[in-house]
Amino acid sequence: GAGVSQSPRYKVAKRGQDVALRCDPISGHVSLFWYQQALGQGPEFLTYFQNEAQLDKSGLPSDRFFAERPEGSVSTLKIQRTQQEDSAVYLCASSLREGTGRATGELFFGEGSRLTVL
Amino acid sequence: KQEVTQIPAALSVPEGENLVLNCSFTDSAIYNLQWFRQDPGKGLTSLLLIQSSQREQTSGRLNASLDKSSGRSTLYIAASQPGDSATYLCAVIPQGGSEKLVFGKGTKLTVNP
Repeated sequence: GAGVSQSPRYKVAKRGQDVALRCDPISGHVSLFWYQQALGQGPEFLTYFQNEAQLDKSGLPSDRFFAERPEGSVSTLKIQRTQQEDSAVYLCASSLREGTGRATGELFFGEGSRLTVL
Repeated sequence: KQEVTQIPAALSVPEGENLVLNCSFTDSAIYNLQWFRQDPGKGLTSLLLIQSSQREQTSGRLNASLDKSSGRSTLYIAASQPGDSATYLCAVIPQGGSEKLVFGKGTKLTVNP
């Protein structure tokens, strides 16, 4: 497809379960970002990849959160032992440029994966 | 720590009205500022990007201004339409090598026909 694709769109997990959220960026996009958006809040940065390299993971809230992009394309955000406070929409974004700061990178966001932890 | 505030949190206007959404940020050391639109249950769509050296950007009925020294940006929407109803988010990239956007909480706009 032409846009950023995320799956699943909706995920309900019981507290303690592990979940995996997938992001297919736009083909050829170098940069990939994950953001977490709680209800009524703005998105908050989780992590940033340039190709397969994870250059910034400072936003990951705990060691239960893990992200990878092994071949520089598809990315997976994994949350282990989910807690109720993990309930949020997880947004993936990609950019043709290297990052969005030093380059005039235009970000393209996916529609998000809504995670509900019961 | 950079913080972004958007006022008002919600705004309801009749169709055809011109309106202004406000965004303020605490640290003027930014690379750029972006305005996004978010429809319910959807991702974000980039509307306008203003580099730190620029004062404004225009796209159709949208005009965004940036006053970096005072830490303020405004998004002006002319001749509003019901299709403009959405949440508008402001975000900045801080200087210092970070690639992360710092977002405000957004302004929820409703344009009534």
